[in-house]
Amino acid sequence: SAVISQKPSRDICQRGTSLTIQCQVDSQVTMMFWYRQQPGQSLTLIATANQGSEATYESGFVIDKFPISRPNLTFSTLTVSNMSPEDSSIYLCSVGTRDTNTGELFFGEGSRLTVL
Amino acid sequence: AQSVAQPEDQVNVAEGNPLTVKCTYSVSGNPYLFWYVQYPNRGLQFLLKYITGDNLVKGSYGFEAEFNKSQTSFHLKKPSALVSDSALYFCAVRDTTGGFKTIFGAGTRLFVKA
Repeated sequence: SAVISQKPSRDICQRGTSLTIQCQVDSQVTMMFWYRQQPGQSLTLIATANQGSEATYESGFVIDKFPISRPNLTFSTLTVSNMSPEDSSIYLCSVGTRDTNTGELFFGEGSRLTVL
Repeated sequence: AQSVAQPEDQVNVAEGNPLTVKCTYSVSGNPYLFWYVQYPNRGLQFLLKYITGDNLVKGSYGFEAEFNKSQTSFHLKKPSALVSDSALYFCAVRDTTGGFKTIFGAGTRLFVKA
């Protein structure tokens, strides 16, 4: 298993500003992901955070809007840039602790962003 | 493309009664299937998974799920519901042909009434 800490747990932001969310894992992990959970909806994968290289983004998500860093195997950041009210969501950091794709994901408690 | 359907937005059950939360999936290859639970203001917690082998898998908190390949279903079940089981449940699928991308269903809210 893995223990994942996310900061901030919640924030209220002004339109046009940017916010960086931090994700710290208590052990080294290969796979790290960022998901978005909009109010009352399911989880949508934003990107896979790759250590030492650029993140891999899913369709509909771009690096300019959601820049991601992954400096080592225990830490990642997601920035939500130039925010609008449509970006109000819970952002979840997730990790896979096995190198094979049979493993389950572990999630942080999420960062709830409200954009005014 | 992978997809997951949870046909019920909400399931209501009385405490002590059996519960079922439905899930169907679509993948191009063989599936890896997962159930997660989300309590209010918390992240998702893993409940159980099907990778291969026995179609009935058992997981945390007394939950189990049955993999049915012909019906492409993976319904979550529990013989006797508890009020504390009230939460949001997500079914998820991953394609075994490669990659770690996990697709989640829309979620089913379970209400267990005392």
